[in-house]
Amino acid sequence: EVQLVESGGGLVQPGGSLRLSCAASGFTFSSYWMNWVRQAPGKGLEWVANIKQDGSAKYYVDSVKGRFTISRDNAENSLYLQMNSLRAEDTAVYYCARDDGIGFRYWGQGTLVTVSS
Amino acid sequence: SYELTQPPSVSVSPGQTASITCSGDKLGDKYAHWYQQKPGQSPVLVIYQNNKRPSGIPERFSGSNSGNTATLTISGTQAMDEADYYCQAWDSKVFGGGTKLTVL
Repeated sequence: EVQLVESGGGLVQPGGSLRLSCAASGFTFSSYWMNWVRQAPGKGLEWVANIKQDGSAKYYVDSVKGRFTISRDNAENSLYLQMNSLRAEDTAVYYCARDDGIGFRYWGQGTLVTVSS
Repeated sequence: SYELTQPPSVSVSPGQTASITCSGDKLGDKYAHWYQQKPGQSPVLVIYQNNKRPSGIPERFSGSNSGNTATLTISGTQAMDEADYYCQAWDSKVFGGGTKLTVL
């Protein structure tokens, strides 16, 4: 069974940092592009970043470029999102999602990040 | 950046057909996917590559994509279909703003 389990969310002050993790199981993690998608409270989905199977290509939404870094450890079957210089508008539930090439077929349960003083 | 526009809300009576649109520049030239999200839950892929259903998705869900508009159609809508629906343009990964489907 495919499982994606996010962790690392919490309350952080503006300007602070946080590192999210996504533990993958039930599939060959190194075979898939992986994504982070976020959802602000009461708002819609926003794609944040993705990373190629071997980590050689990474893409970001403009609003997080230079502040967030996506990475992966295929040996540990884990996806990460390092978030620096956090702003109030980064407050959201962050989901990791597997790119099946035909859409995001599998999603984690999400982890809540709250940026507030 | 690429933008997708959806109506904020759509209402439908049980048993009737619901149509949710998604508009974007030359969207018909790209693959469109659709996700369903119920309150407190993670999104679920219901249509991929314009008109294909993943395993486990009921046949009442269908899709089309032409010109500048992709459409999600739910035939014989049931109360359990009440949810938020999001379109996605595959090449850019961009999501539409979402449509709240109310079944009343």
